[in-house]
Amino acid sequence: DVKVTQSSRYLVKRTGEKVFLECVQDMDHENMFWYRQDPGLGLRLIYFSYDVKMKEKGDIPEGYSVSREKKERFSLILESASTNQTSMYLCASTDQDVYGYTFGSGTRLTVV
Amino acid sequence: GDSVTQMEGPVTLSEEAFLTINCTYTATGYPSLFWYVQYPGEGLQLLLKATKADDKGSNKGFEATYRKETTSFHLEKGSVQVSDSAVYFCALTPDYKLSFGAGTTVTVRA
Repeated sequence: DVKVTQSSRYLVKRTGEKVFLECVQDMDHENMFWYRQDPGLGLRLIYFSYDVKMKEKGDIPEGYSVSREKKERFSLILESASTNQTSMYLCASTDQDVYGYTFGSGTRLTVV
Repeated sequence: GDSVTQMEGPVTLSEEAFLTINCTYTATGYPSLFWYVQYPGEGLQLLLKATKADDKGSNKGFEATYRKETTSFHLEKGSVQVSDSAVYFCALTPDYKLSFGAGTTVTVRA
């Protein structure tokens, strides 16, 4: 069964910490995405990557960076976590066919 | 830019009731339209899609028709079950990046 795996379901971090959220897909997909999900705001695109070492900013990139050193892995980095980054983070991947979007189960991050 | 507006929830229904969730979109071109569903504790799953005007997407008893004249893609189900309780997202894409609506939480009571 093909899937997108996010390394943690729940994380609690302190303000100012550097936080890494990891996402791995086993479908050989070109494109990978990081969204954050907040009540009443839906999903907002943070960053996406269309190839290894390639990345583009989404709608809300401030305070985040990403890394894609291998095709199957896409990491989201919070350089200095802040309380307003408390949220659910969802990773997704797709090939050029957008109908093939597959989401991970999400990481609920709490910054205290 | 392209965007989606969907009806706010939460929506609470009794089993076997009729469900409608409104979704309208703004786009410069001809996007593909989607409904995704998120069950408690899970990621999003594609529920149905439509790629051009007048297409009807359907799955699991849900239907939605791509209406270009009203820029709408409303989701409907004739008889909901408790297992349909979830958050529903309308989304669109002109390319391979999805833009989502705010989500509508639906709770179905037995």
